[in-house]
Amino acid sequence: DTGVSQDPRHKITKRGQNVTFRCDPISEHNRLYWYRQTLGQGPEFLTYFQNEAQLEKSRLLSDRFSAERPKGSFSTLEIQRTEQGDSAMYLCASSLPRRLGETQYFGPGTRLLVL
Amino acid sequence: AQSVAQPEDQVNVAEGNPLTVKCTYSVSGNPYLFWYVQYPNRGLQFLLKYITGDNLVKGSYGFEAEFNKSQTSFHLKKPSALVSDSALYFCAVRARAGNMLTFGGGTRLMVKP
Repeated sequence: DTGVSQDPRHKITKRGQNVTFRCDPISEHNRLYWYRQTLGQGPEFLTYFQNEAQLEKSRLLSDRFSAERPKGSFSTLEIQRTEQGDSAMYLCASSLPRRLGETQYFGPGTRLLVL
Repeated sequence: AQSVAQPEDQVNVAEGNPLTVKCTYSVSGNPYLFWYVQYPNRGLQFLLKYITGDNLVKGSYGFEAEFNKSQTSFHLKKPSALVSDSALYFCAVRARAGNMLTFGGGTRLMVKP
C-alpha cells in the first residue's frame, strides 16, 4: 500500500496523559498536513509542513499540541495533558507541490478517546 | 477568511436516480475546490477537484461537479446513484495563495435500493 499511513488507528487514554501519533506520507510527497475532525463535523486544519519546516499553524493548535517532521519524512503529533475535548479523529494528509491546485491525500486517521 | 456551506445534512435518493449534493463557498480570489468522500471509520478519499478551465469537472466513480462562479457553488452530481455511494461527502475550498483546506460540515448520502 503506497498511501498515507497513520499509527495507531485508535487510542484510548485518561485525561492528563500525553499521547503521540505518527503519520507516514506518500513517499515522494514533501508537504504534510494535520487536521482534526470531531463527530459530525468536517475536518479542521491544524498545521502544515513543507519538508521539515512547519510553515503554518492554526490557532486551534494550543500550546499542548506539538508537531514535528524532523527529517522531512514521517511526522508526529503530540498532545500533552490531554483533555476530554481533545477526543476526535486526527487526520494526516500529504501532497506533492503543483503549479496549480495540488491534491491532498488523506490517511485513515487516528481516533482518540480521552476518558 | 474562507468558508464552505453544505446546506443539507442528509440527502436521500433511490438507486438509479440522479443525485445532487450541494456546496457553496466563500474565499478571496479564485478558488480551488474539492470533493472528498468518507466511509465509516475511514479517512477521506479524493473524488474530484476544480482548478481552472472547464466548469464541469469529472471525477472518480462516475461523479462530476459543476463550478458556478456567479453563485459561488460547486455541486456534486451523479447521473445514476448506487447503493454503494452511500457515505459522507465533504466539499472543501482552498485559496490560491494558501495551503490549508477548509471543509464544509459534510452531507450524508443515503441511496436506497
